[in-house]
Amino acid sequence: DGGITQSPKYLFRKEGQNVTLSCEQNLNHDAMYWYRQDPGQGLRLIYYSQIVNDFQKGDIAEGYSVSREKKESFPLTVTSAQKNPTAFYLCASSATGDNQPQHFGDGTRLSIL
Amino acid sequence: DQQVKQNSPSLSVQEGRISILNCDYTNSMFDYFLWYKKYPAEGPTFLISISSIKDKNEDGRFTVFLNKSAKHLSLHIVPSQPGDSAVYFCADLSTGRRALTFGSGTRLQVQP
Repeated sequence: DGGITQSPKYLFRKEGQNVTLSCEQNLNHDAMYWYRQDPGQGLRLIYYSQIVNDFQKGDIAEGYSVSREKKESFPLTVTSAQKNPTAFYLCASSATGDNQPQHFGDGTRLSIL
Repeated sequence: DQQVKQNSPSLSVQEGRISILNCDYTNSMFDYFLWYKKYPAEGPTFLISISSIKDKNEDGRFTVFLNKSAKHLSLHIVPSQPGDSAVYFCADLSTGRRALTFGSGTRLQVQP
């Protein structure tokens, strides 16, 4: 089945550590996105990529980094510079062209030990 | 900055009745609005969308209405079912911004 796979579902990090969240899609979508959700809030954009080897900062990119070496993969690294990393992280992808909905993975919940 | 606001954090309706979820936006330049449904610990699921050239779009039990003069859109679910209980987000995909701007969500509870 086509879809977006995020792993792991739950992740724990010690303070001062970097951690990488995986996102893979087999929908042949060019565009991929990372969002963060905090309790009682909507999703906020961290980074997005419209094409391989290119990505753009979103609204809350500080303390995060990404890479887009393959069309299928868009990993997100939460660095030690991110002061409040505990959140629910969602990856999405979409086809190119006008009015294309984004399709989401099931998310990774990151917690700080 | 464009903003998308959902002013009602929660809504409770009886099974079989209509659910109406509301969303307001501030930016007049938009292309496309979407509604997503989200269960706990899962990613949002796309429900229905509407483009700026329309004022209504219908898909089964779900209808989205767009009032451009009031900068307001609403999602109607009729008849409501217990399985519709979830958090609903409206989102805007506007010209020049390639990613979605989300509202804060409305938690719908459909009582059996």
